Amino acid sequence: AQTVTQSQPEMSVQEAETVTLSCTYDTSESDYYLFWYKQPPSRQMILVIRQEAYKQQNATENRFSVNFQKAAKSFSLKISDSQLGDAAMYFCAYRSPPNKLVFGAGTILRVKS
Amino acid sequence: GAGVSQSPSNKVTEKGKDVELRCDPISGHTALYWYRQRLGQGLEFLIYFQGNSAPDKSGLPSDRFSAERTGESVSTLTIQRTQQEDSAVYLCASSPPGTVSNVLTFGAGSRLTVL
Repeated sequence: AQTVTQSQPEMSVQEAETVTLSCTYDTSESDYYLFWYKQPPSRQMILVIRQEAYKQQNATENRFSVNFQKAAKSFSLKISDSQLGDAAMYFCAYRSPPNKLVFGAGTILRVKS
Repeated sequence: GAGVSQSPSNKVTEKGKDVELRCDPISGHTALYWYRQRLGQGLEFLIYFQGNSAPDKSGLPSDRFSAERTGESVSTLTIQRTQQEDSAVYLCASSPPGTVSNVLTFGAGSRLTVL
């Protein structure tokens, strides 16, 4: 069974600084997708970024980027120029056929002003 | 609708009662998921519907849990004889037909409190 591990229960970052959230996964599949979701106190899950396993280039969305290391099965999220609105729970997730999305336990990100 | 709608937003019930949670997916989305999120924890997969295929029920924790979906429309998650450990937020998500790359859109969840 596929598993997703987030080893950092909680992280803190100073406003405007950069923070990296870690994620590793276990799979024997070759075709899969990886996602980072953000969950603010409102409970609404929001997609931050996604990465196709067949692409070597790391995905980037504005201040958010990933470091995808397929051989190491690692998928970290880097948030640059952190803002107060980035404070939330962040979940790493994995998806492959037959399409079940598997989540990690989450990392709480606190942003200090 | 524009997003995934879940009701009720909050539900408080007494131990032993049955509850029904409703999810209205985005129109045209063939896939629908239910997840459970206990306080401060990650999302546990419960059940997955894909079109007219047999649902993947592998995540349902016990036979007190069941879910139904008619076609590609509304889904209901039923918990019978609720227990205190059932207290959690129940999240529903849907995604369009196609490949595994399709992104799930989540509802705001139903918070269940069992006294």
